[in-house]
Amino acid sequence: AQSVTQPDIHITVSEGASLELRCNYSYGATPYLFWYVQSPGQGLQLLLKYFSGDTLVQGIKGFEAEFKRSQSSFNLRKPSVHWSDAAEYFCAVGSSGGSYIPTFGRGTSLIVHP
Amino acid sequence: NAGVTQTPKFRVLKTGQSMTLLCAQDMNHEYMYWYRQDPGMGLRLIHYSVGEGTTAKGEVPDGYNVSRLKKQNFLLGLESAAPSQTSVYFCASRPENLPSYGYTFGSGTRLTVV
Repeated sequence: AQSVTQPDIHITVSEGASLELRCNYSYGATPYLFWYVQSPGQGLQLLLKYFSGDTLVQGIKGFEAEFKRSQSSFNLRKPSVHWSDAAEYFCAVGSSGGSYIPTFGRGTSLIVHP
Repeated sequence: NAGVTQTPKFRVLKTGQSMTLLCAQDMNHEYMYWYRQDPGMGLRLIHYSVGEGTTAKGEVPDGYNVSRLKKQNFLLGLESAAPSQTSVYFCASRPENLPSYGYTFGSGTRLTVV
């Protein structure tokens, strides 16, 4: 069965600093990986996804993520954080069998200090 | 573009009352999903639909029923609300049942059962 772990419940960064949010997955075959962002009081929005090809994926809002098969990781990065990036971030893994329904991590809350 | 619209946005119920949450999408998506979000638990799948007239159980279906009479609408019903059903409910859709597709989410319904 597929599973996703986001080790950090909260991350605090200063505005302008770089950001890395961790995501580890467990899945036997090549996974389909996603990052979503949830702003306060809003639904989730897809930031980026990986399912094949270049392991460095570019997304919206200046985010990128790198798929590392050897580490079973799909970490989200941004070189310079803006105050508007404060939100909840969810990693998800989708399987290529069964109902294709992704499994979501429990989320990482990003706090941005001015 | 409306995308996925959920109504109502907020609701307070008394224990034992019933209600229906409506999800409407205007993207002609075939697949629709209901999730609940609880603090520290991430997103958990309640029910989903793979097309008009179909429904299937997810991870936490007990206490909920669903219907998909029209392709664009997916209804979630609570027949006898319980305090344990206090949560934020999200509807999502995607065009194909393929793992490479991300979801489009609604903005959520915050339900409190007292």
